[in-house]
Amino acid sequence: AQKITQTQPGMFVQEKEAVTLDCTYDTSDPSYGLFWYKQPSSGEMIFLIYQGSYDQQNATEGRYSLNFQKARKSANLVISASQLGDSAMYFCAMREASSNTGKLIFGQGTTLQVKP
Amino acid sequence: DTAVSQTPKYLVTQMGNDKSIKCEQNLGHDTMYWYKQDSKKFLKIMFSYNNKELIINETVPNRFSPKSPDKAHLNLHINSLELGDSAVYFCASSQWSGSTDTQYFGPGTRLTVL
Repeated sequence: AQKITQTQPGMFVQEKEAVTLDCTYDTSDPSYGLFWYKQPSSGEMIFLIYQGSYDQQNATEGRYSLNFQKARKSANLVISASQLGDSAMYFCAMREASSNTGKLIFGQGTTLQVKP
Repeated sequence: DTAVSQTPKYLVTQMGNDKSIKCEQNLGHDTMYWYKQDSKKFLKIMFSYNNKELIINETVPNRFSPKSPDKAHLNLHINSLELGDSAVYFCASSQWSGSTDTQYFGPGTRLTVL
C-alpha cells in the first residue's frame, strides 16, 4: 500500500496567488515526521518544511505552511504569493520513528508551474 | 559553503563497467544516506549509515556497495553496471534523532549507462 500519496501530478498557479499541494499518508506509528522537498529543474532536492506528528501547531517557514490534519492523515503544503521561481517538482515524505532506519518514504511528486 | 557534495555530477559509462560516486558532508551529521531517483522521478532509499555502520540496505543488488571511511563520507561503488542502473543518485545526511531529523541532500549524480 502506498504510504505517501500525492494525487496531483501537475498543478498550475498564477503568479502571486496561493496554491495547495496535497499529500496524504498512511502509518500506524504514533510518532512520525512529515517533510516537503522542492526539486527545481536543476535537479537538487531542497528541504522546505517539517511537521512532527506530536506538533500542536501547523508548521510555517516563510511563504510555506503545512496544513496538518492528523485525523485525516493529510499534510498539505501551502505556498502563498507564488513566484516564478516556485516552479518545480514538490515531494512529500514521511519518516516513521518505529522503522529505526531513518529512511524517508517519498510520494510521487507534484509538478507546479507558476504562470506570469 | 557546500553542505552535502557529490562527485561527479554526471557519469556516463558503458555496461559492465565499475564506477564510484563520492559524497561528503560538512554539517557534522552522524547519518548519511543514498537514494535513487528513477526516470519517473520516484525516490527510494538504498542505504543508510549511522556512525559508519550500515543500518539500511533496501533490496539493492549486491553490485552496489556503500563504503563509509568516516562520518563525513559515504561513497557508493557499483560493479558490472547495467542499463537499469541509469538514474540520479542522491546522497543525504542528517543528525539522527528518531523521526524528527531533517535530511539534507547533495546535488545528485546523474548516471547514464550505455
